[in-house]
Amino acid sequence: GQQLNQSPQSMFIQEGEDVSMNCTSSSIFNTWLWYKQEPGEGPVLLIALYKAGELTSNGRLTAQFGITRKDSFLNISASIPSDVGIYFCAGRDSGSARQLTFGSGTQLTVLP
Amino acid sequence: GAVVSQHPSRVICKSGTSVKIECRSLDFQATTMFWYRQFPKQSLMLMATSNEGSKATYEQGVEKDKFLINHASLTLSTLTVTSAHPEDSSFYICSARAPGRTLNTEAFFGQGTRLTVV
Repeated sequence: GQQLNQSPQSMFIQEGEDVSMNCTSSSIFNTWLWYKQEPGEGPVLLIALYKAGELTSNGRLTAQFGITRKDSFLNISASIPSDVGIYFCAGRDSGSARQLTFGSGTQLTVLP
Repeated sequence: GAVVSQHPSRVICKSGTSVKIECRSLDFQATTMFWYRQFPKQSLMLMATSNEGSKATYEQGVEKDKFLINHASLTLSTLTVTSAHPEDSSFYICSARAPGRTLNTEAFFGQGTRLTVV
């Protein structure tokens, strides 16, 4: 089946620094999504990408849909303490009945 | 954005009993809902796809008789963990998508249910 490799697994950064994380897939996806999950909560959608090469921003967050359709990255600029959480990428292909395949997550810790 | 409400947020039950978890789409109708299970510090694992008015589709390795799914209306899906055992303790999360909209309608997640079986 499809596999999503998400890296890094965890990050410790200073407040104000920029952050970058990415996902690569063994197969092509038609949709890439980025979610943030805080402890004891469900994931919250941050950014959705639908076209190869698409670059989309949501405040300090920017994500891109790779040209090959097998990868995506998420950047967070000028990190703040409330950015702490686990970030998941998720992908969907046309033949998966709208199911999402999730990456393993990136645990982000922002140090004051 | 769309809101998905999951209840209860936490439940503790004794081994051998059954627990029902509800997932509601509050401001849209969802013909399809998804149920996930998440272990600590791990990603979400899809358990089953819940289809309104028809049987759920279970992922490989998920026992359909143990995890009963009912999607009786366009706004409610329920997951019942039957004869729960300690190994069923986990974080269960549902998600839903609105039907008939643009392709850009994405899955929104409930708050999750922390199940502890003692």
